[in-house]
Amino acid sequence: AQSVTQLGSHVSVSEGALVLLRCNYSSSVPPYLFWYVQYPNQGLQLLLKYTTGATLVKGINGFEAEFKKSETSFHLTKPSAHMSDAAEYFCAVSELRNTGNQFYFGTGTSLTVIP
Amino acid sequence: DAGITQSPRHKVTETGTPVTLRCHQTENHRYMYWYRQDPGHGLRLIHYSYGVKDTDKGEVSDGYSVSRSKTEDFLLTLESATSSQTSVYFCAISEGGQGRYEQYFGPGTRLTVT
Repeated sequence: AQSVTQLGSHVSVSEGALVLLRCNYSSSVPPYLFWYVQYPNQGLQLLLKYTTGATLVKGINGFEAEFKKSETSFHLTKPSAHMSDAAEYFCAVSELRNTGNQFYFGTGTSLTVIP
Repeated sequence: DAGITQSPRHKVTETGTPVTLRCHQTENHRYMYWYRQDPGHGLRLIHYSYGVKDTDKGEVSDGYSVSRSKTEDFLLTLESATSSQTSVYFCAISEGGQGRYEQYFGPGTRLTVT
């Protein structure tokens, strides 16, 4: 089975500062990687995904992530944090099974933005 | 937003009682999933469905059963609820079963077993 590690369960940044949320995965095959965001009392919303092609992936709300195969990483970044970015962020890897794909999620990183 | 609803949104039940959670979609997607979300564990897959009457187990399926008699509905049943099943349950749907397809999530059901 796949596994996903998110370093840092809580990250705090100042408004306007760089956001960096770390994700490492284990996979023996080229992975499909995803970042989701969860606002309080809501479901998960897709931020971005990597399937094939360009390793730098741009998503919604100014976020982007870079797939680095040699480091088995898929870190999420945003150049300038906004108060509205405060939320929980989940990294996920997809594994193909005979009957469909199964997602494995990291344990999440809670982002706090300090005014 | 993907057309996914979950019912009920909140439920409190007693240990030993049966509980059924419903997920309804209007997207006509083939794949549907049930997850539970617990602090420190992220989301963990309980069961999923790859078509009407076709289901498979996820990593935490013990104590849960599912059924899918129509494309739009996917039911999760706790036959005899236990306190360890207190959690937030999310339904998700996906257009395809290959790895590149993202999943879309419902708003969640908060279940408390006392």
